[in-house]
Amino acid sequence: AQSVAQPEDQVNVAEGNPLTVKCTYSVSGNPYLFWYVQYPNRGLQFLLKYITGDNLVKGSYGFEAEFNKSQTSFHLKKPSALVSDSALYFCAVRDLYGNNRLAFGKGNQVVVIP
Amino acid sequence: DAGVIQSPRHEVTEMGQEVTLRCKPISGHNSLFWYRQTMMRGLELLIYFNNNVPIDDSGMPEDRFSAKMPNASFSTLKIQPSEPRDSAVYFCASSPTSTGELFFGEGSRLTVL
Repeated sequence: AQSVAQPEDQVNVAEGNPLTVKCTYSVSGNPYLFWYVQYPNRGLQFLLKYITGDNLVKGSYGFEAEFNKSQTSFHLKKPSALVSDSALYFCAVRDLYGNNRLAFGKGNQVVVIP
Repeated sequence: DAGVIQSPRHEVTEMGQEVTLRCKPISGHNSLFWYRQTMMRGLELLIYFNNNVPIDDSGMPEDRFSAKMPNASFSTLKIQPSEPRDSAVYFCASSPTSTGELFFGEGSRLTVL
């Protein structure tokens, strides 16, 4: 079954510095990969996805992610973090040729320090 | 577009009572998902529907939980009888396809005393 690992519980970064949130995945077939963000007491919001094509995917709010098939990774990045980026970030993977379930990671709390 | 609409936003009930959570997906979306979020277990898929038909209910914890989707614009998740360990935030999400991104509602926070 497909799965996602987000190894860090919390990521602390100073405002203006680059932000990276790590994600590795495991699937039996070709992966569909997603990043979501959750603000306190809100639902998850879609940020970006990788289906096929260019390994660098650009999404909402200045975020981007790079698909690396050899390392089975899909790290989320932002060149310059804002205080308003403080939130919970989820990576998710769907195995198109498996059972098609969307599996979420446990989430990473990002804290941007002013 | 109004987005995915869930009700109630908050529910406090006593152990043993029946709880019904409601969801209206985005119009035109043909896949609907119910998730549960807790601090201990994170985000868990309970069940998902494709074209109103339940496809995978392997995440439903036990027989106390049931979900229905009588038409394309409405779904319910019912817990009967409720227990304190059911306390969580329950999210409904819809997707335009079975493989696309999900659009989440704001969630229903359930507290069972």
